Amino acid sequence: DIVMTQSPDSLAVSLGERATINCKSSQSVFYSSNNKNYLAWYQQKPGQPPKKLIYWASTRESGVPDRFSGSGSGTDFTLTITGLQAEDVAVYYCQHYYSTPYSFGQGTKLEIE
Amino acid sequence: QVLLLQSGPGLVKPSQTLSLTCAISGDSVSSNSAAWNWIRQSPSRGLEWLGRTYYRSKWYYDYAASVKSRMIISPDTSKNQFSLQVNSVTPEDTAVYFCVRQMNLITTAGFDYWGQGTLVTVSS
Repeated sequence: DIVMTQSPDSLAVSLGERATINCKSSQSVFYSSNNKNYLAWYQQKPGQPPKKLIYWASTRESGVPDRFSGSGSGTDFTLTITGLQAEDVAVYYCQHYYSTPYSFGQGTKLEIE
Repeated sequence: QVLLLQSGPGLVKPSQTLSLTCAISGDSVSSNSAAWNWIRQSPSRGLEWLGRTYYRSKWYYDYAASVKSRMIISPDTSKNQFSLQVNSVTPEDTAVYFCVRQMNLITTAGFDYWGQGTLVTVSS
């Protein structure tokens, strides 16, 4: 089974600054047959289900602000939020969908400094 | 717009059966491009994928090994819904349960639509 590990567990960033969250998978989630990384990022606010932000590691979901971006390939991935806004306070998760069983990272709690 | 509406009891006694239903609107449980998942979330286990069902000329089922022996996911095409049944529950099954649509297309992928979540507490 693929294990997803995020770092850091929590992060405090000033408004307008950049937040960077890392995610590492225990094995590659890249399919060479279609040149895709089977990796998504989600944002979860209290009392709500997770909301998909990024899929295929770097494709932004429709309606997601362009301050959110994803990068990486293979086993190492990054979610970057540039120009942090107050509404970005949330817990962020990475998740692979390479094969079942799917799994999520443990989450990174993002707060305002 | 896809909507997933969950229903089911919030309190289950130990050793009994947890049953939840997810009603789908805006898509079909028999879709040839979607899969229908159950995911739970607890402070101790985080977000945990439990299993899924999908239709590709026939029905397929995948389950997490940790629950496979106790879990059944069932599609109901007549009501356009799918359900989760977990047998012999223990307090460790206490969690918020979500039904979730999954797509794996070039144009979209991952878990895109989530139910509202149901807090299920296992307690006598």
